Amino acid sequence: SQQGEEDPQALSIQEGENATMNCSYKTSINNLQWYRQNSGRGLVHLILIRSNEREKHSGRLRVTLDTSKKSSSLLITASRAADTASYFCATVTQGGSEKLVFGKGTKLTVNP
Amino acid sequence: ETGVTQSPTHLIKTRGQQVTLRCSSQSGHNTVSWYQQALGQGPQFIFQYYREEENGRGNFPPRFSGLQFPNYSSELNVNALELDDSALYLCASGPSGGLTYTQYFGPGTRLTVL
Repeated sequence: SQQGEEDPQALSIQEGENATMNCSYKTSINNLQWYRQNSGRGLVHLILIRSNEREKHSGRLRVTLDTSKKSSSLLITASRAADTASYFCATVTQGGSEKLVFGKGTKLTVNP
Repeated sequence: ETGVTQSPTHLIKTRGQQVTLRCSSQSGHNTVSWYQQALGQGPQFIFQYYREEENGRGNFPPRFSGLQFPNYSSELNVNALELDDSALYLCASGPSGGLTYTQYFGPGTRLTVL
């Protein structure tokens, strides 16, 4: 079963607009990671936020984490057509053997 | 620095056959993990290997098995293939310390089971 659930499942915006994707998870985590996937290819790591962090930035990306609500958001500012991809959150479960658990993803389309 | 590579790129098998997928880790990484991604779904964790030992497993039956070699390359073996095994198989490597660190993914192997 999948730990994370992204919302929305699909998002279509115009170039230059901001895109916000949300992720909710169920159990305690060590960290939360966001990945991008273009057209069924391999995943590219975007950003990792640890459970004791609340916000992290990387270029046009801003990630927040609210462990009390078990949720995270990924904001892409000033989107570009090249940002068109699927975005996944993934969590590393605490306790027992480690597992990296992905959500079902948000499919982002940025229209030129 | 060489990235993660996987072979083959595409593979077609028939139900009941066995398949071996290969992964070469990024230089300096000694952890490898494997994932199955069905169409339209997120990747599902199969298992992780660290120093040639399985170090974590997802909800996959024993017919999914793996190996990690001393040079940190890895194989995923699937026996008695079923139609539902059709998917993109991804491997990822990472530094020691496991999945709490950034994982670097290969381009995947697309397996079709007929």
